[in-house]
Amino acid sequence: AQRVTQPEKLLSVFKGAPVELKCNYSYSGSPELFWYVQYSRQRLQLLLRHISRESIKGFTADLNKGETSFHLKKPFAQEEDSAMYYCALSQGGGGSNYKLTFGKGTLLTVNP
Amino acid sequence: DTEVTQTPKHLVMGMTNKKSLKCEQHMGHRAMYWYKQKAKKPPELMFVYSYEKLSINESVPSRFSPECPNSSLLNLHLHALQPEDSALYLCASSPAGQFPGELFFGEGSRLTVL
Repeated sequence: AQRVTQPEKLLSVFKGAPVELKCNYSYSGSPELFWYVQYSRQRLQLLLRHISRESIKGFTADLNKGETSFHLKKPFAQEEDSAMYYCALSQGGGGSNYKLTFGKGTLLTVNP
Repeated sequence: DTEVTQTPKHLVMGMTNKKSLKCEQHMGHRAMYWYKQKAKKPPELMFVYSYEKLSINESVPSRFSPECPNSSLLNLHLHALQPEDSALYLCASSPAGQFPGELFFGEGSRLTVL
């Protein structure tokens, strides 16, 4: 069974400090990993996905298959980054590729 | 139109009531989803429709009945719910067969069962 673990429920940093939100996964096949973000009073939305290897709002995430990790990083946190962040895993390809499993989420607070 | 729209935003119902939640998207997405989210918890998958056919049912109790009348609409019919069913119900859609896992979420319908 696929599983996503976000070990930190809460993370608090100061503005301008680096931030790393951890995500580990377990899956026997070829996973597709995502980060979703939910800002206060806004809908859940995709932040980035590993297959595109892009940087969104200064965030990056690298899939490390050896460590089964997909940590989210940003070198300089901004106050507007304060939000709930969910790591998510989707089974790659095939008929069941619509099943997206979320981690429990990390609430990031960036203090001024 | 690049949004998923859910109605109603709030719903209060008794345990004997029958009500429905509605979801609509006009992005041409052929996969639609219902998720349940309790406070301070991640979304939990309930149902997936692919090309208007139910493809995944995550062992959801029969008091929840999904329906996909066409490619733009998704309903969730509610009957004889329990207080523990109170939650935020999220609808999502995705372009089936492309970028799997990239879901577009609605704002949700907050359900309270008395």
